[in-house]
Amino acid sequence: RKEVEQDPGPFNVPEGATVAFNCTYSNSASQSFFWYRQDCRKEPKLLMSVYSSGNEDGRFTAQLNRASQYISLLIRDSKLSDSATYLCVVRALGSQGNLIFGKGTKLSVKP
Amino acid sequence: DADVTQTPRNRITKTGKRIMLECSQTKGHDRMYWYRQDPGLGLRLIYYSFDVKDINKGEISDGYSVSRQAQAKFSLSLESAIPNQTALYFCATSDRGTSGRAPYNEQFFGPGTRLTVL
Repeated sequence: RKEVEQDPGPFNVPEGATVAFNCTYSNSASQSFFWYRQDCRKEPKLLMSVYSSGNEDGRFTAQLNRASQYISLLIRDSKLSDSATYLCVVRALGSQGNLIFGKGTKLSVKP
Repeated sequence: DADVTQTPRNRITKTGKRIMLECSQTKGHDRMYWYRQDPGLGLRLIYYSFDVKDINKGEISDGYSVSRQAQAKFSLSLESAIPNQTALYFCATSDRGTSGRAPYNEQFFGPGTRLTVL
C-alpha cells in the first residue's frame, strides 16, 4: 500500500460546483496533514493545514479522520482559478519533519 | 524577486554527463530539500539538509549527490546522468521551527528545473 494515496482524477466540474477530494495514508503514526496546490508546470504551494477538528478557509474545508486514516478537501462554489492539481501531504512521527506527498488529484473547472 | 531560485530552469544533456542544479534562497531558512517529480509518481525526496553541516539521504538518493555551500545555497549533482533521471526537480526550504521535536513548518518551493537526459 502506498504511503499516501489519492484519486488522480481528473475531476472535470462546472463553475460553481462543489467538489471533494479524498486521501488515505498508511502510517498510523502520521502527525501532521496538509493540502498543497500545484498549478501546471509550477511549484507546489501550501493551500491549508488539516486539523483534527476540521478547518475551513473561505470556500475550502479540510477534514481529518484519524481512525480511518483519511483526509478530505471540499471546495465549494468552484472557480476557474481553482483548476490545479491538489496534493495530499503527510508528516510522520520520526521522519524528522519530512513530508510524504501523494501523487495529486487534478481538478479542471470549466465555464 | 523570488525567495527560492533555481538554476538552470531547463536543461537538456546527454547520458554520462555531469550536471549540477543550483538552489539559492533569501528566506533565511535553515532547512533545504531536493525533490524530483515524475508524472504519475508525485514528489519524492532526494536529499535534505537541516543546516550547513547536516546532509541526509532521502527516499531516492542513489545517483545523486549534494553540497550545502552556505545556509542559502544547496546544490544537487548528477555525477553521470542517465535517461531515467529525466524529471522535474524542485528545491524547497523551511524554517527550523520553535520546538525541539522538529515540528512542521511550511516548505517553500523553487520554480523547478526541467531536466532531460538523452
